[in-house]
Amino acid sequence: AQSVSQHNHHVILSEAASLELGCNYSYGGTVNLFWYVQYPGQHLQLLLKYFSGDPLVKGIKGFEAEFIKSKFSFNLRKPSVQWSDTAEYFCAVTPGSARQLTFGSGTQLTVLP
Amino acid sequence: GAGVSQTPSNKVTEKGKYVELRCDPISGHTALYWYRQSLGQGPEFLIYFQGTGAADDSGLPNDRFFAVRPEGSVSTLKIQRTERGDSAVYLCASSLQIGNGDEQFFGPGTRLTVL
Repeated sequence: AQSVSQHNHHVILSEAASLELGCNYSYGGTVNLFWYVQYPGQHLQLLLKYFSGDPLVKGIKGFEAEFIKSKFSFNLRKPSVQWSDTAEYFCAVTPGSARQLTFGSGTQLTVLP
Repeated sequence: GAGVSQTPSNKVTEKGKYVELRCDPISGHTALYWYRQSLGQGPEFLIYFQGTGAADDSGLPNDRFFAVRPEGSVSTLKIQRTERGDSAVYLCASSLQIGNGDEQFFGPGTRLTVL
């Protein structure tokens, strides 16, 4: 079965610092890739997704992610974080034919003002 | 409503009791998903529906768990003979149509605590 690894459990940054959250998956075929975010007290919402084409995907709020097929990775980046980016971030995948999402365990990001 | 709604928001029950958790998807969304999120983990898939039928129930942990969606809209997740290990946040999501390109919109979840 496919799995998703997020190696950073908790990341603490100061405002304006750059962010990169790691995500690796274990599935050899075609995959669809997602990053979801959960702000404090809110429900999960989609940040960005990759299906095909340009491996550099841009999402909402200045986030982007790069799909590197040879490394089975889909890391999330943001050049300059803000205090309002404090949230939990989840990477998720669906193998090409599946419908349900397989999530990583999440990374809690804390941005200090 | 504008988003996916779930009731109740919190449910506390005793071991061995029966519980029902309700999900109201976004109007017009034909696909509905249930996930379970334990503390410190990401959501884990339980079951999804396309219309009224369960298209994939492979994530249900055992036969104490059952879900229905009789009219293709509201869904109910039913847990019999609850156990302490069932304590978790149960999330519901819906999407416009089943397909790997569709964004799943999540509800706020029901926090189930089994004493």
